[in-house]
Amino acid sequence: NAGVTQTPKFQVLKTGQSMTLQCAQDMNHNSMYWYRQDPGMGLRLIYYSASEGTTDKGEVPNGYNVSRLNKREFSLRLESAAPSQTSVYFCASRDISTDTQYFGPGTRLTVL
Amino acid sequence: EDKVVQSPLSLVVHEGDTVTLNCSYEVTNFRSLLWYKQEKKAPTFLFMLTSSGIEKKSGRLSSILDKKELFSILNITATQTGDSAIYLCAVGRSNYQLIWGAGTKLIIKP
Repeated sequence: NAGVTQTPKFQVLKTGQSMTLQCAQDMNHNSMYWYRQDPGMGLRLIYYSASEGTTDKGEVPNGYNVSRLNKREFSLRLESAAPSQTSVYFCASRDISTDTQYFGPGTRLTVL
Repeated sequence: EDKVVQSPLSLVVHEGDTVTLNCSYEVTNFRSLLWYKQEKKAPTFLFMLTSSGIEKKSGRLSSILDKKELFSILNITATQTGDSAIYLCAVGRSNYQLIWGAGTKLIIKP
């Protein structure tokens, strides 16, 4: 099992460019999450998907959109990147029986 | 507003010392409290606690939850340089979300 995979690992964008971060999990979990992590601020929830076909806003959704393509895949899109979106982005999926979230390796995004 | 507060924010100790990390919370519809360790990459799961007073142990790490006083502690005994990391506390709510603390950065000096 690969667990949670994310692509790309690194990305540099110019202000105004768009991109999609991809996430997939092979643990048959229903719930998936996108977080951003900035120094000293812990993990902040951007969007989550409780189950296939549903998505909900988290704490910091502005400037982002998501798609739950199927049970395995949950993508995060930046339509018009801004320097404030420079961060490390983590995708996670949740084992409902234990509440445990399993994280992907992260994407380090820099917006110039 | 729901919140999870960890203390201290950072801690420097010497190898062999014992450390105690704290996590207090005010969260509606509490389901569970989780501890994670984050080294250079993604957080990795350590413990999940749901019941007061029951200690969870894994090697030199242990954790306990007090649901009356709304806090948890993570203990690490006989620390090693490999324990250097950020330790994150998160509280699970009934609506699928985890509320995260800012973390404690632990540095173990040889």
